[in-house]
Amino acid sequence: DVKVTQSSRYLVKRTGEKVFLECVQDMDHENMFWYRQDPGLGLRLIYFSYDVKMKEKGDIPEGYSVSREKKERFSLILESASTNQTSMYLCASSWGQGASNTEAFFGQGTRLTVV
Amino acid sequence: AQSVTQLGSHVSVSEGALVLLRCNYSSSVPPYLFWYVQYPNQGLQLLLKYTSAATLVKGINGFEAEFKKSETSFHLTKPSAHMSDAAEYFCAVIRSGGSYIPTFGRGTSLIVHP
Repeated sequence: DVKVTQSSRYLVKRTGEKVFLECVQDMDHENMFWYRQDPGLGLRLIYFSYDVKMKEKGDIPEGYSVSREKKERFSLILESASTNQTSMYLCASSWGQGASNTEAFFGQGTRLTVV
Repeated sequence: AQSVTQLGSHVSVSEGALVLLRCNYSSSVPPYLFWYVQYPNQGLQLLLKYTSAATLVKGINGFEAEFKKSETSFHLTKPSAHMSDAAEYFCAVIRSGGSYIPTFGRGTSLIVHP
């Protein structure tokens, strides 16, 4: 089974802190994604990466950055956490090639609270 | 740009009743469409996917969805709801352009009454 592991299920951070959310997948997937989930808004794409050291902005990249130094690991960084970044963060990965391999596999999510 | 619209943020059914969750897509090319389920405090799990092989797609846990191009719809159904089906359901479409990025609807919360 594909496994996507997020380093923390729950995090509480203070305003202004630099926050790192880590995600690791074990299926050699090319694509990795970071979404945030808020009630009534569904999942919104923050950043995605289609290869090591390659990254593209998603729909809501402001206040975030990412790092992909190894194929299996994709990190989301909140440079200076703010209360409006309190949310559920979901990491996902996919092969990204061919119709039969397009589904995304998700981690369990990290519920981040910024106080 | 590809997108999906889920009609109804909440759907309430009785145990044993038909489940119908609606999803309409917007796409200029034949889309790849998905339904995911999210149980409380968990990530998303794939229920089923449409990739143009067959218009009626069967998924896990007794769910199925029918792709209707004329209606640009991909509604999710289950003949008989179980209490364990209570969850959040998301419809998704793959964006065009070769990057295979999933774009999600806003979700529908399924409530099952005993």
